[in-house]
Amino acid sequence: DAMVIQNPRYQVTQFGKPVTLSCSQTLNHNVMYWYQQKSSQAPKLLFHYYDKDFNNEADTPDNFQSRRPNTSFCFLDIRSPGLGDAAMYLCATSAPPDISQYFGAGTRLSVL
Amino acid sequence: AQKITQTQPGMFVQEKEAVTLDCTYDTSDQSYGLFWYKQPSSGEMIFLIYQGSYDEQNATEGRYSLNFQKARKSANLVISASQLGDSAMYFCAMRGYTGGGNKLTFGTGTQLKVEL
Repeated sequence: DAMVIQNPRYQVTQFGKPVTLSCSQTLNHNVMYWYQQKSSQAPKLLFHYYDKDFNNEADTPDNFQSRRPNTSFCFLDIRSPGLGDAAMYLCATSAPPDISQYFGAGTRLSVL
Repeated sequence: AQKITQTQPGMFVQEKEAVTLDCTYDTSDQSYGLFWYKQPSSGEMIFLIYQGSYDEQNATEGRYSLNFQKARKSANLVISASQLGDSAMYFCAMRGYTGGGNKLTFGTGTQLKVEL
């Protein structure tokens, strides 16, 4: 059974049109992460939530926002997608002190 | 700052042979952890193995083992008896701390192709 679920698996949006990516988890983990992985590159952490506390990475563009309405769900909002935002977006969860991170299958975003 | 270096963009191995994927790291932390993840073409990141900096023995998980050489700052992944299903991208990652969570810093990955 999938434990970290990302919807949709593929998302196409238009340049400048806001888009939301979804992540849900059945693990009841208190930490949820969003990573961006551009083609042939390493995943890069954008931000994470520790419970309700939002932690933004210093180099994450303001164009990227996140919401976590409850423990199970976390959303990635891209306010005005540019061509350079086309990437795989990976959601992950963890439950400190356990060091493991559990990843979803990702959402591949295309920007036309 | 933490840095992970994977110098092999691509590797080929014959089925049933062993293969070593290289990973070197740099950190000023005394306590740290190193991971290996597998990413098939479908996209999900699959956890393979973990090594803590204070672990005295090299980690093993089934066909996966981690050759940890602390003085050389290397954490190479060894896959024994390669299978066709092992063909994937492999990432080495280091655990850091950020805002209460664990931040993973990834290397650029090695694309492994297992051939008949």
